[in-house]
Amino acid sequence: GESVGLHLPTLSVQEGDNSIINCAYSNSASDYFIWYKQESGKGPQFIIDIRSNMDKRQGQRVTVLLNKTVKHLSLQIAATQPGDSAVYFCAENSLGSARQLTFGSGTQLTVLP
Amino acid sequence: EAQVTQNPRYLITVTGKKLTVTCSQNMNHEYMSWYRQDPGLGLRQIYYSMNVEVTDKGDVPEGYKVSRKEKRNFPLILESPSPNQTSLYFCASSAHRGETQYFGPGTRLLVL
Repeated sequence: GESVGLHLPTLSVQEGDNSIINCAYSNSASDYFIWYKQESGKGPQFIIDIRSNMDKRQGQRVTVLLNKTVKHLSLQIAATQPGDSAVYFCAENSLGSARQLTFGSGTQLTVLP
Repeated sequence: EAQVTQNPRYLITVTGKKLTVTCSQNMNHEYMSWYRQDPGLGLRQIYYSMNVEVTDKGDVPEGYKVSRKEKRNFPLILESPSPNQTSLYFCASSAHRGETQYFGPGTRLLVL
């Protein structure tokens, strides 16, 4: 089966800088994408989602960009804070699939003081 | 508060001793799912349920059973646990198939 992957397993940024976490997907039928944040000892927490009819979606301090041409998804976090330190997963779903989400392996974001 | 709850949060057991991990959601979601999370392998789906009495296998169903007798509950059953089932387990739910899933806090299982 096709899988979702992440370019980098770890990312360190200075507090206050912007963070960019990348994700590549290979399933051309994917039409719905989600970013999750998982803090140590907790379950994944929904951050933001985007459907394939959009290129960009913004939330509070977060922006998701979708490039369907190269099958690439990114999560941008503005003014990164210590509380943003976590593992970030992208997930994809072809809405026709009853199996729901396929998750990437995750990127560990560490915010440096 | 809308949430997904799991119990127990931590469990140590021995090979072959049947166990059940409960999962409950209070959001009236139709769709529920179980995942296991292992280092380097990410989240892998074990079983899912589209609605009451409707369940199906995910990617790694071997050694597990589930049931969905009520909409809010989706227990995960290990009839004869083995050490390779040592893992971190998450239950999740969504209103409908294909929509955002909300996760429980996780159950850390150690099978000796």
